[in-house]
Amino acid sequence: GAVVSQHPSRVICKSGTSVKIECRSLDFQATTMFWYRQFPKKSLMLMATSNEGSKATYEQGVEKDKFLINHASLTLSTLTVTSAHPEDSSFYICSARESSIRGEKLFFGSGTQLSVL
Amino acid sequence: GQNIDQPTEMTATEGAIVQINCTYQTSGFNGLFWYQQHAGEAPTFLSYNVLDGLEEKGRFSSFLSRSKGYSYLLLKELQMKDSASYLCAPHSGNTPLVFGKGTRLSVIA
Repeated sequence: GAVVSQHPSRVICKSGTSVKIECRSLDFQATTMFWYRQFPKKSLMLMATSNEGSKATYEQGVEKDKFLINHASLTLSTLTVTSAHPEDSSFYICSARESSIRGEKLFFGSGTQLSVL
Repeated sequence: GQNIDQPTEMTATEGAIVQINCTYQTSGFNGLFWYQQHAGEAPTFLSYNVLDGLEEKGRFSSFLSRSKGYSYLLLKELQMKDSASYLCAPHSGNTPLVFGKGTRLSVIA
C-alpha cells in the first residue's frame, strides 16, 4: 500500500526555537496533504490542508503565522512550528490522500512527538 | 458540518467479538473510513465503505447504512493487541477527513 514518511519522529527543543516537520508521500503523488495535531488521550484535530503550489487552508483557531506550511512539490509538505512554546508540545501527524480508480484512501505518516522545554 | 457519535470506551474479553457503532451526520457523503490508532502512534487504515452492507476483511468487518447514517466495526476473535482507539470518519468529497473522539477499546484476558 501507499506509504507516507514523516520526519523527525521525535523532537525536543527549547522555547523560542523553530521546528520543521517533513511529510513525504513515497510512492504516489499527493496534491493535498493534511496536518493534524493530537494531545494525549484526545482526538485528532485537523490543523490545516496543504495544497501543492498554493497557500494552505487553516482551520479556525490555528495561527497561520505560527504554523507555516509549505507544499512545494507533489510529494513533500512541511510544517514549521515557529517560536515554539511549551503549549505547542503535542503529537503532530501528517496525512496524504491517494486517489485511484479504486477510490480514495488517506494514509498517515508515523507522527512527530514535539516537546518544547 | 459534521457530527460523529461513537461510544467513548468499550471493554471486551480476549477471544470475544465486539461491535463498535458509529452514527454520523454530514452535509455530503462519499464513504466512511475506519482507522485504528494505538497510543502514541499514527492511525492506520482499516476500511473504507462506500456501498451499503457488510465488508469482511479477516477478523475485522465494517458495515454501512447510508440511509441511516450508521456504521459499525466488528472485531472477531479479539486479541490483546486489538486494544486501541478506533476512529470513524465519514468522507465528503474533497473535504479533509474530520475525526470524532474515537472509541477506546480495552481487551482483557
